[in-house]
Order: sequence, then C-alpha cells, then structure tokens
Amino acid sequence: DAKTTQPPSMDCAEGRAANLPCNHSTISGNEYVYWYRQIHSQGPQYIIHGLKNNETNEMASLIITEDRKSSTLILPHATLRDTAVYYCIVRVGSTDKLIFGTGTRLQVFP
Amino acid sequence: NAGVTQTPKFRVLKTGQSMTLLCAQDMNHEYMYWYRQDPGMGLRLIHYSVGEGTTAKGEVPDGYNVSRLKKQNFLLGLESAAPSQTSVYFCASSLHRARGTEAFFGQGTRLTVV
Repeated sequence: DAKTTQPPSMDCAEGRAANLPCNHSTISGNEYVYWYRQIHSQGPQYIIHGLKNNETNEMASLIITEDRKSSTLILPHATLRDTAVYYCIVRVGSTDKLIFGTGTRLQVFP
Repeated sequence: NAGVTQTPKFRVLKTGQSMTLLCAQDMNHEYMYWYRQDPGMGLRLIHYSVGEGTTAKGEVPDGYNVSRLKKQNFLLGLESAAPSQTSVYFCASSLHRARGTEAFFGQGTRLTVV
C-alpha cells in the first residue's frame, strides 16, 4: 500500500494561493491521488483526485509530478473558510478503500 | 437527497454495554466504510464493504463487527464497549468506478464509553 507524507501544518494569508504538498514515492501506476479536507469536526469533504494529469475543478487544482512521486493541491484564493485539515490519500488497489494519514492543518489568516 | 445519514449522533455507553451504529445512504453506492477518529488524529478504517452481503477488515477491526444486509445500510456493532472505543465514528459511501470516485461522509457519531 502506498503511503503519503504531508507537512503537519501550514499557514496562508487570505486571498493568497495555498499550496499543499504531498509525497507518495511508492505509488503504483494504477493508483489515484485523492485530496479530502475536514473542517473542524465535520465529516471529511472530497476536493479532487487524479491519476497523472493535472486536474482542476471549482474548488482546487491538483498538480502531479511526471514521475507521480509527489503532488500539490492548490487553493487559488484561500479564504478563512478554507481553514481545515487536508488529507492526501492514495487509493489502495481495486477495492477503493481509502486510508487516511495525519494530514496538513492549514490555517488561513486575515 | 439525504446523502449519508448516521444514527445516533451522540451516545454514552457504560463499559460492557453493546450498541449498533447505523449508516444509511440513498445514492445506490456499492462501497461503504466505517472509520473512527480519535482526538488530534486522522481517520482510521475499521471495516468496509464492497457490496451487499460482503464485508472486510480495515486497519483497526478488533472489538467491532459489521453487517451489510441491504445495499443502502451498513451497521457497526460494539458487542462489549470499552473506554478505548470512545471516539467519533464516521461512515462513508462511494460508487465503484475504475477511474476512481469521491466518497461521501456522514456527519459522525460521537461515542463516549465510561
């Protein structure tokens, strides 16, 4: 099973881009990278996922390196409501189970 | 649509008591999961199910049992509750697609065992 490594915490000024890194050096060729976030004690919320191409949706962009050993989640214009714990997850095998790590606590400040 | 609904939202148990947590989803999802989250930690997978009538162990299955008799419901049982099972429990569901899909989470059940 691929594991992910994320910095425990990051800060970002409101209105600026938040770039959250993730290392997944043992990822397999058919494993996807997922990002979720958890605001306070709510249930986690899906943000985005990708295989090898960069992806963008209304919430964020996902940049995956060519060797797929790392990725970056980009929140283009962070707001105070983006303060949360962000989890980078690699999909395990074909059963689609999601194994969470400890995540990055993003603090957006005014 | 209600999405993923967990029942109950809060519960206090005495050590040794049993209880069942119910997770219901109305999205016709094949996959369902149970996680626990302890203070300051990430979510840990307890059990999961890839379809009606099937279940599998996750990272921390000991002390829990599950059943998926209907596609829309996933039950998590504690036969003899222990203080170490005090936690917030989250249920999730997802479709099975080769390209990968998002999982939808419930709002959690806060369980305290005294």
